[in-house]
Amino acid sequence: DTAVSQTPKYLVTQMGNDKSIKCEQNLGHDTMYWYKQDSKKFLKIMFSYNNKELIINETVPNRFSPKSPDKAHLNLHINSLELGDSAVYFCASREGFSRSNEQFFGPGTRLTVL
Amino acid sequence: GNSVTQMEGPVTLSEEAFLTINCTYTATGYPSLFWYVQYPGEGLQLLLKATKADDKGSNKGFEATYRKETTSFHLEKGSVQVSDSAVYFCALSISSGSARQLTFGSGTQLTVLP
Repeated sequence: DTAVSQTPKYLVTQMGNDKSIKCEQNLGHDTMYWYKQDSKKFLKIMFSYNNKELIINETVPNRFSPKSPDKAHLNLHINSLELGDSAVYFCASREGFSRSNEQFFGPGTRLTVL
Repeated sequence: GNSVTQMEGPVTLSEEAFLTINCTYTATGYPSLFWYVQYPGEGLQLLLKATKADDKGSNKGFEATYRKETTSFHLEKGSVQVSDSAVYFCALSISSGSARQLTFGSGTQLTVLP
């Protein structure tokens, strides 16, 4: 069983388009995250939700809007895509009261903006 | 703020060689420390972790010891295999607050040659 899943795995689109990436976890975790991995493999936090409530919103353009319909899902919508948005986006989740702070990652969505 | 400094790559070793990837950190509070591994084309997997000073994390022959006095968490393996070829990320998470997002190092690409 897949613990953290993302769709789609690959997304190729034109500049200016609007697209969404979906994430679901079946671990019963309370907290979910979006991370961005750039072409140099550097990973950076974008957003975090805890029980559907936004708790981290890093310096990310407001073209990016996360949405959490329930605590098992955290979707990422991106408006007016730009070339610089090309990256791999990872969803992750964490148990609310985990002492180790361990996060479980999805397989990633590779976004290519042409 | 929190940061992780990781040995720059790429690292190329012959099979059965000894591996060390250096990682040092700066953190406010008491971090948990992690090594994540990313195999080609895949997401991040937790390799090992340590939650307090002097803890040793170990998995699949890899080890790392949480050294508070040197703020380090170096990854070691006595005899690498071709299948260990991947990108390795050192990361920390502060054990307070509801977010507990991961702060990653820049990643180290390891290639093991037969």
